[in-house]
Amino acid sequence: NAGVTQTPKFQVLKTGQSMTLQCAQDMNHNSMYWYRQDPGMGLRLIYYSASEGTTDKGEVPNGYNVSRLNKREFSLRLESAAPSQTSVYFCASSDGGWLYQETQYFGPGTRLLVL
Amino acid sequence: SQQGEEDPQALSIQEGENATMNCSYKTSINNLQWYRQNSGRGLVHLILIRSNEREKHSGRLRVTLDTSKKSSSLLITASRAADTASYFCATVRSGAGSYQLTFGKGTKLSVIP
Repeated sequence: NAGVTQTPKFQVLKTGQSMTLQCAQDMNHNSMYWYRQDPGMGLRLIYYSASEGTTDKGEVPNGYNVSRLNKREFSLRLESAAPSQTSVYFCASSDGGWLYQETQYFGPGTRLLVL
Repeated sequence: SQQGEEDPQALSIQEGENATMNCSYKTSINNLQWYRQNSGRGLVHLILIRSNEREKHSGRLRVTLDTSKKSSSLLITASRAADTASYFCATVRSGAGSYQLTFGKGTKLSVIP
């Protein structure tokens, strides 16, 4: 099993450009998440999808959109990139029910630089 | 806003020594989890402790939870150079419909061979 995979690994954008970060998991998990990690900070939740067909905002959703394409795939889109969105983006998945959140499994991350 | 706050921010020890990291949080929780992040990599789950548990062990890891003080500690015994990483606590808040893990800023552990 590959676990959680993310593409691309690294991307440089100019301000105003758009891009989509891809995430896929092969563990048949119901829930998927997008986080960003800035230097010296923990992870902050951007959006999550509790189950196929649903998405919800996390702590820092502004400037992002998401699509839960199917049970395996969850994409994150930046419509008009800004330098403040320079960060490392992590996708994660889990199979926990809503009362007892279980382990999250993380992808290797996408490093995004917005000039 | 970040729920968990790790202490210390950085810790440097010799190989073979024990490493203790602490986490404090603000609101009631369902469970608390510890994750490790090697430089440039994604996070890896280490251990989960539920709100009705006080102590949990996994190999060289020992986690305690004190819900009255809203704090947890992670002890790594007999540390190895391979334990060098950042360690994060993450909490799941009590309440309906919450899938959200809230992470602290992490403790950066350096184990010197």
